[in-house]
Amino acid sequence: DAGVIQSPRHEVTEMGQEVTLRCKPISGHNSLFWYRQTMMRGLELLIYFNNNVPIDDSGMPEDRFSAKMPNASFSTLKIQPSEPRDSAVYFCASSLQSGANVLTFGAGSRLTVL
Amino acid sequence: QQQVKQSPQSLIVQKGGISIINCAYENTAFDYFPWYQQFPGKGPALLIAIRPDVSEKKEGRFTISFNKSAKQFSLHIMDSQPGDSATYFCAVSDYNQGGKLIFGQGTELSVKP
Repeated sequence: DAGVIQSPRHEVTEMGQEVTLRCKPISGHNSLFWYRQTMMRGLELLIYFNNNVPIDDSGMPEDRFSAKMPNASFSTLKIQPSEPRDSAVYFCASSLQSGANVLTFGAGSRLTVL
Repeated sequence: QQQVKQSPQSLIVQKGGISIINCAYENTAFDYFPWYQQFPGKGPALLIAIRPDVSEKKEGRFTISFNKSAKQFSLHIMDSQPGDSATYFCAVSDYNQGGKLIFGQGTELSVKP
């Protein structure tokens, strides 16, 4: 198994531009999580899905952020418009079932907003 | 509101020594306490985990000690090796809240040869 696959690995963009981060979870996993990592705030849960349905989006910072999971093998996290304070590493993780707690993380997408 | 507090922020240990990282939590509903290890440029990976029905769990050189009454748990790395140099995160989870993990701030461990 290739694990959780995220793309792009690195993204540099200018303030105001739209950013789309992509995630392919492990086949058979039915829970998917988006986390953001910064030095100041550590690892923050943004949103998680169970069976493609958003369960908890209370960590999404503001309306500029949106996440979708159109099918079991693909999810996107979109930031529009992006701001410099959005610069961070964004991780996608998946687990076999909600409540199982064992998360497998992708390698992350490092976003820099100039 | 920080639901789990981790200390220290950074730790330097000599090869062969014991590394100890501590976490404290407030919510007694938490029922799962994992530790994740993260190397530079990689995502966190599960290292070891414990549930509140036991006070200690050991896997090789890694041990979790859990004190339910004090709402604290710690990671002990015995015979620390340079390859253990990484950032360690404790986390807490409540099954009734969907099992989402809430992470501590992380501890950057450096093991000197």
